[in-house]
Amino acid sequence: NAGVTQTPKFRVLKTGQSMTLLCAQDMNHEYMYWYRQDPGMGLRLIHYSVGEGTTAKGEVPDGYNVSRLKKQNFLLGLESAAPSQTSVYFCASTFSEWHNEQFFGPGTRLTVL
Amino acid sequence: GQNIDQPTEMTATEGAIVQINCTYQTSGFNGLFWYQQHAGEAPTFLSYNVLDGLEEKGRFSSFLSRSKGYSYLLLKELQMKDSASYLCAVRRLSDRGSTLGRLYFGRGTQLTVWP
Repeated sequence: NAGVTQTPKFRVLKTGQSMTLLCAQDMNHEYMYWYRQDPGMGLRLIHYSVGEGTTAKGEVPDGYNVSRLKKQNFLLGLESAAPSQTSVYFCASTFSEWHNEQFFGPGTRLTVL
Repeated sequence: GQNIDQPTEMTATEGAIVQINCTYQTSGFNGLFWYQQHAGEAPTFLSYNVLDGLEEKGRFSSFLSRSKGYSYLLLKELQMKDSASYLCAVRRLSDRGSTLGRLYFGRGTQLTVWP
C-alpha cells in the first residue's frame, strides 16, 4: 500500500495563476482532509470530505475549492493564487470519523511569488 | 479556535525524560491526540486519550485530565531521533453529535534533544 500520496511535492506559482493539488489514498478511507501548515500557526483545516461526492468547508476555506469525484482522490484547487497561500499543504485521510488515526501525505510545498 | 496551548520550544539531553504539556478549552470534547512531525515530513500518529488517565506505549506515554482540560506527552530515555515537533490535537463533537473526524491542532512544540 502506498498510503496517502500527494502531487506535486513542490511548486512555484506567480500571483494569479491557478493550480490543482492531488491527493490519493489506497486504504479505502471515507474521510479526507486538506490542511495548510504555516510557521507558528499549526495545522489548519481548509476543506474536508466525508465521502465520495461530498465536500465541506473547514477553518480557512477562502481562495480554495475542492472536489471528491472518486473515493480515493481529493483535489484542492487554487483558482487565482496569492502570496498569502504560500504554505505547506498536507492531505490526510481516515477510515471513519471514529477512527483515531489520521494518515497524512508527505506534503506539497507551494510558493506564490 | 479551540484554544489549544502548548509550549513553543523545549530542549533536553539524550537519555533524559521530558514532559510536553497541552491545555485546551473546548465544548463537546471527544478525544485528545498527539502527533510527531520531523522537519520536512508529515505528522505521524503517536497516541490517543479519551478517558482520564495514562496511556503507555513503549517510551512514550500520554496523560489526560478532562476536568482540567489538560494533557501531557511523556518521552522517556530520549534519543536524538526524538528531536521533532509534537502536535497536540483535540477532536470535538459538532452540534449534531458527530465528530466528522475533524481535529483541531495546537501550534506544536519543537523538541530538541542534545547529545
